[in-house]
Amino acid sequence: EAGVAQSPRYKIIEKRQSVAFWCNPISGHATLYWYQQILGQGPKLLIQFQNNGVVDDSQLPKDRFSAERLKGVDSTLKIQPAKLEDSAVYLCASSSPRDSSHLGAFFGQGTRLTVV
Amino acid sequence: QKEVEQDPGPLSVPEGAIVSLNCTYSNSAFQYFMWYRQYSRKGPELLMYTYSSGNKEDGRFTAQVDKSSKYISLFIRDSQPSDSATYLCAMGRRSYIPTFGRGTSLIVHP
Repeated sequence: EAGVAQSPRYKIIEKRQSVAFWCNPISGHATLYWYQQILGQGPKLLIQFQNNGVVDDSQLPKDRFSAERLKGVDSTLKIQPAKLEDSAVYLCASSSPRDSSHLGAFFGQGTRLTVV
Repeated sequence: QKEVEQDPGPLSVPEGAIVSLNCTYSNSAFQYFMWYRQYSRKGPELLMYTYSSGNKEDGRFTAQVDKSSKYISLFIRDSQPSDSATYLCAMGRRSYIPTFGRGTSLIVHP
């Protein structure tokens, strides 16, 4: 079973620039999550999709962050303009409510963003 | 007070030791309790999950939940250098939107 794919793995940008991250979830997983993990902290949920609809985006800084999941499969997360405090690892995860043997989510390797 | 508290460590133990990792939480609505392992520069990997109070065992790993004390633990028996990683506790309510602890860094030295 292929895992959650994310790209790019690393990105360095200057503050006020824009950046986009891409995620391809595990095939058949209806639920997709974007997390932000700042160094030394646990992942913080930014947004959760169920198919192509947003379930929870209460912690997404909507003035600069946006996310979409066209056709309920791949997803992109964008930051525009970036700030220094956005430096973090952005993790994508997916899960399937129908998979009763695995209540948890599968995570990708993440995109490490450095804003300078 | 944070919803989930977890000591960041690092916790350094010799190979073969029994490791105890813990989290406390404040939200009594949490129903799902999970432990993730995260190697350096990798995404978190689910190790264990439980739905209620009690113990759950899987090989060398035992997860324990005490909802009355709002306290969860992960025990690792016969620890190996390959267990060196950051261990994240996570918990959630009915829908799967977990709140993570900050993680405990574990170092198992030969």
